Amino acid sequence: GQQLNQSPQSMFIQEGEDVSMNCTSSSIFNTWLWYKQEPGEGPVLLIALYKAGELTSNGRLTAQFGITRKDSFLNISASIPSDVGIYFCAGSKRNTGNQFYFGTGTSLTVIP
Amino acid sequence: DAGVIQSPRHEVTEMGQEVTLRCKPISGHDYLFWYRQTMMRGLELLIYFNNNVPIDDSGMPEDRFSAKMPNASFSTLKIQPSEPRDSAVYFCASSLSSGGADFGPGTRLTVL
Repeated sequence: GQQLNQSPQSMFIQEGEDVSMNCTSSSIFNTWLWYKQEPGEGPVLLIALYKAGELTSNGRLTAQFGITRKDSFLNISASIPSDVGIYFCAGSKRNTGNQFYFGTGTSLTVIP
Repeated sequence: DAGVIQSPRHEVTEMGQEVTLRCKPISGHDYLFWYRQTMMRGLELLIYFNNNVPIDDSGMPEDRFSAKMPNASFSTLKIQPSEPRDSAVYFCASSLSSGGADFGPGTRLTVL
């Protein structure tokens, strides 16, 4: 299957700090998604990106579709304790319909 | 909207037993996905359906796994016979033709 690498693998930050994480692939994708998963729950869709260079926000979250189409970035501003969880990127290729490949995840811990 | 519904939420069984996981997708969604999540392998796509038809089952680990979608509101994932290495969290997700999928809460399977 496709390999999507996320970095960093884990982050420990102080409440109020900004967070940046990214996702890279060796393949070109035409759709990028960002999900958050909390313990014992399924992933929840945060942001969807459909065009290279696109920058989309959802509250304190901002994600960008890389211009090479091989990467995407997620930023969280002014982190709060409830931001804790694992963040996954997912990418889809044009010729695979709605099939998404998931990244390895970035675990975020926010210290109050 | 109730979201994607999965049952059971937890299943503990003994090696060799048959296991059936159930999923009710969000009404109106035409794609349904079965994922498996483990610490070692992350989120893996097992199979997905479009309009109740299996499109890609290349992620199904072996013949012991089978999935059906008899109608637009119900799908099952069956493991027969189950083995300890099948222990994982199994997610069902559904989506419209475009955009990201909505995940269910998952079924945590433990095979002893």
